[in-house]
Amino acid sequence: GAGVSQSPSNKVTEKGKDVELRCDPISGHTALYWYRQRLGQGLEFLIYFQGNSAPDKSGLPSDRFSAERTGESVSTLTIQRTQQEDSAVYLCASSRTGGKIEKLFFGSGTQLSVL
Amino acid sequence: AQKITQTQPGMFVQEKEAVTLDCTYDTSDPSYGLFWYKQPSSGEMIFLIYQGSYDQQNATEGRYSLNFQKARKSANLVISASQLGDSAMYFCAMRERGTGNQFYFGTGTSLTVIP
Repeated sequence: GAGVSQSPSNKVTEKGKDVELRCDPISGHTALYWYRQRLGQGLEFLIYFQGNSAPDKSGLPSDRFSAERTGESVSTLTIQRTQQEDSAVYLCASSRTGGKIEKLFFGSGTQLSVL
Repeated sequence: AQKITQTQPGMFVQEKEAVTLDCTYDTSDPSYGLFWYKQPSSGEMIFLIYQGSYDQQNATEGRYSLNFQKARKSANLVISASQLGDSAMYFCAMRERGTGNQFYFGTGTSLTVIP
């Protein structure tokens, strides 16, 4: 596709359930980021993938959060045993090389609501 | 300390007027990039403009310009001739050469253009 695609666009789940969020980056983009945006807040960095290098997981808030990416393709963000505080929009972004001046291309996000 | 500070949670501007959105940043890295993104109600983040720390001139992209004052560590976005479609959230972001991977985002400014 032409842009970054995220699915689902909306997810409502019960506290304690696991959820999986998907991101399809722009073809050819080696760098992929996950961000969390709570209501009225800025973007909170979660994790970064660059090609086949080890991911930068420094932003993951707890061990309930994990993400995977195979090569330069799709990434999945998994949240286990969801809590109400996990409710937020989860944004995925990609860029060509991850260089200093490389701009990010964002998806439309997944709105996660934990009841 | 906050890496990016946006002190204006909400701004109003009359259609066709110019508006300045404030952004200050904090870094000790001499090499960094500054970005502005627009987030309309649809949720997608749209890249607007980039300024490198070594760039001698202020960046411009159409109706967007960046008022870069390095000594004051400010990178204000100026939107000229505001249009109704400019109503959105605007985020300032920074990427440091040293930290490499992370884009630091501010909390955003909500801009409303009044007809």
